[in-house]
Amino acid sequence: GDSVTQMEGPVTLSEEAFLTINCTYTATGYPSLFWYVQYPGEGLQLLLKATKADDKGSNKGFEATYRKETTSFHLEKGSVQVSDSAVYFCALSGGGSNYKLTFGKGTLLTVNP
Amino acid sequence: DTEVTQTPKHLVMGMTNKKSLKCEQHMGHRAMYWYKQKAKKPPELMFVYSYEKLSINESVPSRFSPECPNSSLLNLHLHALQPEDSALYLCASSQDNQGAQDREQYFGPGTRLTVT
Repeated sequence: GDSVTQMEGPVTLSEEAFLTINCTYTATGYPSLFWYVQYPGEGLQLLLKATKADDKGSNKGFEATYRKETTSFHLEKGSVQVSDSAVYFCALSGGGSNYKLTFGKGTLLTVNP
Repeated sequence: DTEVTQTPKHLVMGMTNKKSLKCEQHMGHRAMYWYKQKAKKPPELMFVYSYEKLSINESVPSRFSPECPNSSLLNLHLHALQPEDSALYLCASSQDNQGAQDREQYFGPGTRLTVT
């Protein structure tokens, strides 16, 4: 079945540091890939997505590229802010009539001033 | 507008109570979902509705009863819950479209449920 593996952290960075959160996946066919962010006490927000190989999703300074050859979708940001402190989930949707999202375990990011 | 709303925000209930969680979206989405999320864990899928019909039940105990009155509304009726059911309950919606462009789900803020 489908699965997502992401670095679990926690990750602690200083403000303006470079961020990478690794995500790899296993899926049949051509999944869509997502990064969701969850701020403390809130629901999940869609951060970015990519639907086919070599697509780059981007939003709010975050980027991730759909790499089919390495089955990866790593999240990056060049300069993090304190307000980026949250839990980040990598997820995939296998498509077809299966509406399920398969999530990674989540990575807690803390950014210190 | 990509907003999904949920009420109430917080709910405390005893094990003999009956309560309901409500979810609403006005994005024209035809698939709606209930998830349960425990602390420090990813969301776990409970139910999927597609075109107001239940399409997936992830072996959820019968003390949780979903209902989809129309394409914009989703309810979760709760009865005789256990303390281990305490969690954040999230609603989500998506286009009911098998195209690769439309698989993303939009989540509400959740209802924090405590069972005493």
